[in-house]
Amino acid sequence: GAVVSQHPSWVICKSGTSVKIECRSLDFQATTMFWYRQFPKQSLMLMATSNEGSKATYEQGVEKDKFLINHASLTLSTLTVTSAHPEDSSFYICSARAPGLAAYEQYFGPGTRLTVT
Amino acid sequence: GENVEQHPSTLSVQEGDSAVIKCTYSDSASNYFPWYKQELGKRPQLIIDIRSNVGEKKDQRIAVTLNKTAKHFSLHITETQPEDSAVYFCAANFRRLGTGGYNKLIFGAGTRLAVHP
Repeated sequence: GAVVSQHPSWVICKSGTSVKIECRSLDFQATTMFWYRQFPKQSLMLMATSNEGSKATYEQGVEKDKFLINHASLTLSTLTVTSAHPEDSSFYICSARAPGLAAYEQYFGPGTRLTVT
Repeated sequence: GENVEQHPSTLSVQEGDSAVIKCTYSDSASNYFPWYKQELGKRPQLIIDIRSNVGEKKDQRIAVTLNKTAKHFSLHITETQPEDSAVYFCAANFRRLGTGGYNKLIFGAGTRLAVHP
């Protein structure tokens, strides 16, 4: 149980275009999903927290107009990188957390490698 | 601020030796401390976690200790094997209750562990 998928697993796009990444919880309902960015040989940096049915909460320094997050259902959150630039090339990982007071653990998706040319 | 410091950044041991990775966190309200193992290009995998109501937890060759007073927790791997080679991340949850509240994980910078046969 507690499986999270991401699509696509990798994507190459041209500078100036937009890219959408999907994150799905396959066997549980996730009231909260998280989006992270990981540059090579670096740690996971939290970009935003996404709660179903409400606006995402962005971390300091993350442009909300550039990284659009939608959490329309309890099993799907999307991240859209708008007007992508080469510096947006990174490994984007989502995670999901089940509801409940005992829900601390986050279940990670396999990640999406974005390359902007 | 919300900060997790992790040391060392790299660790090289001989097969069979023990490895210890240490982390400190900034918020005394943090109450959940997971450790993740990440192989190149893969998602982080939870290997062990501890909550603030216990001081130590063990699972076969892996153990975690927590010192709440010092805001310090450590990962101990005994009888290391070459397949333990990976990057290890500690994390701590940072939370605020009430309106506008949140509960998110902040990650340490990571430790690259190399186990030599």
